[in-house]
Amino acid sequence: GPKVLQIPSHQIIDMGQMVTLNCDPVSNHLYFYWYKQILGQQMEFLVNFYNGKVMEKSKLFKDQFSVERPDGSYFTLKIQPTALEDSAVYFCASSLSKNTEVFFGKGTRLTVV
Amino acid sequence: GDSVTQTEGLVTLTKGLPVMLNCTYQTTYSPFLFWYVQHLNEAPKLLLKSSTDNKRTEHQGFYATLHKSSSSFHLQKSSVQLSDSALYFCALSEGNNNNRIFFGDGTQLVVKP
Repeated sequence: GPKVLQIPSHQIIDMGQMVTLNCDPVSNHLYFYWYKQILGQQMEFLVNFYNGKVMEKSKLFKDQFSVERPDGSYFTLKIQPTALEDSAVYFCASSLSKNTEVFFGKGTRLTVV
Repeated sequence: GDSVTQTEGLVTLTKGLPVMLNCTYQTTYSPFLFWYVQHLNEAPKLLLKSSTDNKRTEHQGFYATLHKSSSSFHLQKSSVQLSDSALYFCALSEGNNNNRIFFGDGTQLVVKP
């Protein structure tokens, strides 16, 4: 079936540094998302993105976070600077349209030390 | 605001027994409900979805019926297997211009021999 690829699968970074999480969404999908999951528990919405713009973001999407998808390449989540509480698994997802199935990647485990 | 409630954090069952995982939701829009299953270290995958009131939907032995009168979308299976052990998320998508998906806290299902 359709796959969302996330690179890298693990990332360890020093607090205060910048990190970019990369996502290769399903090729014909138009809506893109980032979710944050801590300790294999609740899946928390961060942001969704459509037509080159952020559609909606949650309170968890701090000013240090940004997303972009330049020229149809990777959909990226950048955190600058990182904080200890940013340690989590970040899932990228995509969907073809509204209210259709959302496909998730396997996640990037980010550890901020 | 919109929300999804899953009352059980952990459900432990013996193989072959029936299971029901509770899900209720709150929204002012026309709801689309989903169940996602996440196995250990894997991406969440869509299990079931529905937007039709009082219609049972089934997949891989699991079934659920959206009841708008009680704002519920409980997940059931008549006979659980060891391979069903996973984290189950109930999710809500609003039937509006956004495409944000709200996830419940998740229910960890553990099936024992």
